[in-house]
Amino acid sequence: DIQMTQSPSSVSAFVGDRVTITCRASQNIDFYLSWYQQKPGKAPNLLIYAASSLQSGVPSRFSGSGSGTDFTLTINSLQPEDSATYYCQQSYSPLRTFGQGTKVEVK
Amino acid sequence: QVQVLESGPGLVKPSQTLSLTCTVSGGSISSGGYYWSWIRQPAGKGLEWIGRFLSSGNTNYNPSLEGRVTISADTSKNQYSLKLTSVTAADTAVYFCAVSYNYDSSGLRFWGQGTLVTVSS
Repeated sequence: DIQMTQSPSSVSAFVGDRVTITCRASQNIDFYLSWYQQKPGKAPNLLIYAASSLQSGVPSRFSGSGSGTDFTLTINSLQPEDSATYYCQQSYSPLRTFGQGTKVEVK
Repeated sequence: QVQVLESGPGLVKPSQTLSLTCTVSGGSISSGGYYWSWIRQPAGKGLEWIGRFLSSGNTNYNPSLEGRVTISADTSKNQYSLKLTSVTAADTAVYFCAVSYNYDSSGLRFWGQGTLVTVSS
């Protein structure tokens, strides 16, 4: 299995700050990496696919980068509604795996 | 726009079989344009990919569940289903069905609202 490791597990930042979340794969996954946002009691929502492609309707303050084994989700100018848990997921292997999640708190 | 909705019993007894259905609208299971997946999330924990069904009939399953899980489709009803046998309390979770386009970099684009399944006697 491909293991996905996110860091940090939680982060707290102020409105307007830039937040960076890292996802590391246990082997090369090229660009087969997606990012999701999940708010309490809701289904996850796709933010980024193919490592850096912004899903339609997602604010442009969200961006993704990386390839191979190291990936980053950046939230520029953090907003109160960005308070959520964020997950990465690899789709390189037919056996998909998620990272353990990063909880973002907006102060 | 594809929409999916989970349905099934909210309570299952230990050692029995968990059965859930995902009803699809806005897209056809038999069209080949999508991959049909199940994901679960225990309370307060992260997302766990369970498996997926491809319109070709192929399936992929989480190795940790292999042997207990089956995902299949009923094209006449435009539904796909999840069966998980020999359940224990560890299988208590919110179960989501989710859909991606039929290319690997697509991401899971369309999600159901999730349904809570509790395993308890």
